[in-house]
Amino acid sequence: QQPVQSPQAVILREGEDAVINCSSSKALYSVHWYRQKHGEAPVFLMILLKGGEQKGHEKISASFNEKKQQSSLYLTASQLSYSGTYFCGTAGPTNTGNQFYFGTGTSLTVIP
Amino acid sequence: GAVVSQHPSRVICKSGTSVKIECRSLDFQATTMFWYRQFPKQSLMLMATSNEGSKATYEQGVEKDKFLINHASLTLSTLTVTSAHPEDSSFYICSAREGLAGGLSSYEQYFGPGTRLTVT
Repeated sequence: QQPVQSPQAVILREGEDAVINCSSSKALYSVHWYRQKHGEAPVFLMILLKGGEQKGHEKISASFNEKKQQSSLYLTASQLSYSGTYFCGTAGPTNTGNQFYFGTGTSLTVIP
Repeated sequence: GAVVSQHPSRVICKSGTSVKIECRSLDFQATTMFWYRQFPKQSLMLMATSNEGSKATYEQGVEKDKFLINHASLTLSTLTVTSAHPEDSSFYICSAREGLAGGLSSYEQYFGPGTRLTVT
C-alpha cells in the first residue's frame, strides 16, 4: 500500500532545482505532499485531486498523473528552509473506506 | 489554519504500564482522525483510522487490543498503548480531517505535534 518515493535522499546547493517522485501501485483519488523537519510533525504543502492536475506553492509545485498513479514535486531555486524530509501521501479506495498512506520519504538537504 | 493538539508531547513509562495519548482538534470538528507511528528515519505508518462515534479501522498488523482508540467526540480521539513494551517506543502522531466521515480523500489533514513515547 505504501507509495514509493525517489530519490531517497538528495543534497542541493542553494538555488538549485530538484524533483521528487512518488509512485503508487494502487489507484489514487488524491495525492498530498508534506514536509517534515527533524522531530516535528509533517507540514502540509498541497493536495492534488485530479489526473493531470498541477499545483504551485511559492517555488514548489507538483503534478499528478492519475493514469500512471504517479506524482512529482518540483522545487525550484531551492532555499535553505527547504531542507527536510518530503513525504507524499496517497488516498485511494479500500474495502473499509478511503485510507491514507505516506510514501517512503525523500530527505532533502540544501547547503549554502 | 486549523490546529490539532496532542498531549503529552513526551512520556516515559515502565514496561507493562499503559499510556494514553490525546489528540484534539481545537477549532474545527474532526469527523475522521488518523493515528500514525514513526520510527527514526522512517516514514509515518498508518496505524488506524477512526471516525467519530464508530469503531476504529486498524491497519493490518496493528493489534487492536494493544492500541485502543476511542473517538468519542468530534474534537477528541485517544490512543491508549496497553501493557507497553520497549519495542512500542516510537513517535506517535495523530491527524484530523474535516469532511464526511469515511470518505472524500480530498480533505487536508491537520497534524498534531506528536508524542514521543519511551518505554523502559
